[in-house]
Amino acid sequence: NAGVMQNPRHLVRRRGQEARLRCSPMKGHSHVYWYRQLPEEGLKFMVYLQKENIIDESGMPKERFSAEFPKEGPSILRIQQVVRGDSAAYFCASSPYGGTTEAFFGQGTRLTVV
Amino acid sequence: DAKTTQPPSMDCAEGRAANLPCNHSTISGNEYVYWYRQIHSQGPQYIIHGLKNNETNEMASLIITEDRKSSTLILPHATLRDTAVYYCIVRNGSARQLTFGSGTQLTVLP
Repeated sequence: NAGVMQNPRHLVRRRGQEARLRCSPMKGHSHVYWYRQLPEEGLKFMVYLQKENIIDESGMPKERFSAEFPKEGPSILRIQQVVRGDSAAYFCASSPYGGTTEAFFGQGTRLTVV
Repeated sequence: DAKTTQPPSMDCAEGRAANLPCNHSTISGNEYVYWYRQIHSQGPQYIIHGLKNNETNEMASLIITEDRKSSTLILPHATLRDTAVYYCIVRNGSARQLTFGSGTQLTVLP
């Protein structure tokens, strides 16, 4: 059973470009979470999705960031018009249910904005 | 979710038990204690969680005090690969997210 797969592992974008980060949850998991870790800082929750629904986006920046988890295919975190401050590691986690079940994390996508 | 307090860093000799403490004095009755770790540059890894009873799995043991105000994660025979930041997280059953604090940087020394 493959773990949570994120791609790309490393992504370099110029200021103003778009970044698309992909997350394939573990098989059988229908709950996906995105977290961001800025350099030398802790992990911060961004958004929680179930298939085709955004459940909680309280940690998402108000502008330029969006997330989706379509019926088929991976979850996508999209950052439009990237700025240097978006440089960070973005981690996706999945779980089979919500609530207290443990979440399993992917290896992350390291975004560098130049 | 209740706030947790952990020491910023700890050392442990290879092969010895690593005991990582966590205070969560404001924990409420329906909140669980979770432990994750993050090895440098990797994604966080789930270790163990519990409500009030002590728990053990292949990775670690979790000891929760009777009043539930603190807990200890025990790695019985630490190896160099256990060097990581360890996060203690308190979370209620309806929480949609994990709230990570600063954690404890555990360094296992040869």
